Amino acid sequence: DVKVTQSSRYLVKRTGEKVFLECVQDMDHENMFWYRQDPGLGLRLIYFSYDVKMKEKGDIPEGYSVSREKKERFSLILESASTNQTSMYLCASILGPTYEQYFGPGTRLTVT
Amino acid sequence: QKEVEQNSGPLSVPEGAIASLNCTYSDRGSQSFFWYRQYSGKSPELIMFIYSNGDKEDGRFTAQLNKASQYVSLLIRDSQPSDSATYLCAVGVNTGGFKTIFGAGTRLFVKA
Repeated sequence: DVKVTQSSRYLVKRTGEKVFLECVQDMDHENMFWYRQDPGLGLRLIYFSYDVKMKEKGDIPEGYSVSREKKERFSLILESASTNQTSMYLCASILGPTYEQYFGPGTRLTVT
Repeated sequence: QKEVEQNSGPLSVPEGAIASLNCTYSDRGSQSFFWYRQYSGKSPELIMFIYSNGDKEDGRFTAQLNKASQYVSLLIRDSQPSDSATYLCAVGVNTGGFKTIFGAGTRLFVKA
């Protein structure tokens, strides 16, 4: 059974903290994605990666960075958390362009 | 203009009725089309995908694609209260790399 896991389901951090969100997939997929989801705005792409050590900016990369040191692991980093980064964060991986995305369970991050 | 547009709803149908969900997209180079279902607080799960013009049926679900009109729809027959969720339309595009563009989703309520 395919699986994408995320390090935390719920996270509460303070403004200015550095936050790490980790995602691991066991499907040997090369392509991984980080989204945030907010009410009324849908899923917005933050960053994606086509291969180890490769990364591409999505639609809303400001305030975020990513790391892909191993094929199975894709980390999202909030360098200095702010309250407007309170959101649901979803990681996904995909086999190829015509295939479905497999999503992790999501991390609900609250920045106070 | 948003790349993938859906009516946000809510769409309310009685149990046993047909629910019709619609989606339009802007990129004529789009290659693949997906419908995801998302329950509140959960991550999206794929329910249908379609690549070619026409209809594709899977159980109570039928996806319809019209590339000339840039239109994709999802029909749910014999709607059940358990179908109540947000339905996300997604389009796969190849832009040098590839990514999936999601609509904001349509909320469906099936009344018992």
